[in-house]
Amino acid sequence: EIVLTQSPGTLSLSPGERATLSCRASQSVSSSYLAWYQQKPGQAPRLLIYSASSRATGIPDRFSGSGSGTDFTLTISRLEPEDFAVYYCQQYGSSPTWTFGQGTKVEIK
Amino acid sequence: EVQLVESGGGLVKPGGSLRLSCAASGFTFSTYSMNWVRQAPGKGLEWVSSTSSDSSYIYYVDSVRGRFTMSRDNAKNSLYLQMHSLRAEDTAVYYCARVFFGFHAMDVWGQGTTVTVSS
Repeated sequence: EIVLTQSPGTLSLSPGERATLSCRASQSVSSSYLAWYQQKPGQAPRLLIYSASSRATGIPDRFSGSGSGTDFTLTISRLEPEDFAVYYCQQYGSSPTWTFGQGTKVEIK
Repeated sequence: EVQLVESGGGLVKPGGSLRLSCAASGFTFSTYSMNWVRQAPGKGLEWVSSTSSDSSYIYYVDSVRGRFTMSRDNAKNSLYLQMHSLRAEDTAVYYCARVFFGFHAMDVWGQGTTVTVSS
């Protein structure tokens, strides 16, 4: 079973700053099956990035994804007030199964 | 508008049963695989179950296999999760989600329905 570990657990930044979120897999993951989600309190998750680096429909270009193998990154180039939220990475694997990381909270500093 | 709307959550005693529903609209439901994902209070996301578009394949996370049954009715554009032998650890918000074909990401989510298992 592949485990996804996200770091840091909490990221304290100011609006306008750059956010870099990490997702590390315990085994190699197909880049085609690595996604990122944003979740705000009381809301359902929203798909941001699929296939490691492709933005979902309607997602602003300040969000970008990169990585391969076991190391993946979500970058928010300039934080807007609405970007403060929890972010999850997710991979799809054999069996099949969907696995999520434990989440990174981006909070206002 | 593409939409998923869950219903059927509530308070149930340990060992009890509950049936969740998810109504889909705004897209051709019968062509998409669908997932159930849950989130315990204050915790992260956990995939629960998945069905292929024609129900020929249905999968479960180990912790619910044998207790939960996922099904769909493409004629009614609806997805279901029948839950039996509920435990306190099944307490969560349950979301239905559409699977983005070919990439296995989840691109449309419902608002969730809350299941509380408590005596």
